Amino acid sequence: NAGVTQTPKFQVLKTGQSMTLQCAQDMNHEYMSWYRQDPGMGLRLIHYSVGAGITDQGEVPNGYNVSRSTTEDFPLRLLSAAPSQTSVYFCASSYSINLAGGRETQYFGPGTRLLVL
Amino acid sequence: QQPVQSPQAVILREGEDAVINCSSSKALYSVHWYRQKHGEAPVFLMILLKGGEQKGHDKISASFNEKKQQSSLYLTASQLSYSGTYFCGTGSGGGADGLTFGKGTHLIIQP
Repeated sequence: NAGVTQTPKFQVLKTGQSMTLQCAQDMNHEYMSWYRQDPGMGLRLIHYSVGAGITDQGEVPNGYNVSRSTTEDFPLRLLSAAPSQTSVYFCASSYSINLAGGRETQYFGPGTRLLVL
Repeated sequence: QQPVQSPQAVILREGEDAVINCSSSKALYSVHWYRQKHGEAPVFLMILLKGGEQKGHDKISASFNEKKQQSSLYLTASQLSYSGTYFCGTGSGGGADGLTFGKGTHLIIQP
């Protein structure tokens, strides 16, 4: 198994450009999520999905869109990049997320480093 | 709200012990601990669930006191490989909204 994969590893954008960060997992995990990590801020949840066709907002969703058309893929779209979106983005997945709230181990991808000029 | 971790940073000599604390202002169902090396993804260490259980993994163990809404991570006889940033992630239960992570504790182990 490749686990959780993310592409690209690095990206430089100009303000106003759009792009899609790709995330895929081959572990048949139901739950997938996107986090951003900024210095001194820890990991903050952007969007998450509990299964194909179901997505919801996390703590910092503004400026980002997601979709989940398949179990394997969970792309994150930046609609109009801003310098404040310069960050490291991590995708994570887990086998299931139930009403217990974060019960299962989350596996993180290697991350995408994004610089918005 | 983000759970609060303490200390923010700690420097130890190899072989010394460390304790990292994580506290939340809201009721918790689960606490997850992760370690992240510089430039790498966070790696799962352990999950603690409501019930006050304690877990161990080699020389790393953790406790969870749901009444106090606190968890502590214990690193015994630290090794150089323990260096990194430790994050706690908390789950409040009752929903599928993922984890809320603390800002991290930087641990440096010196030879």
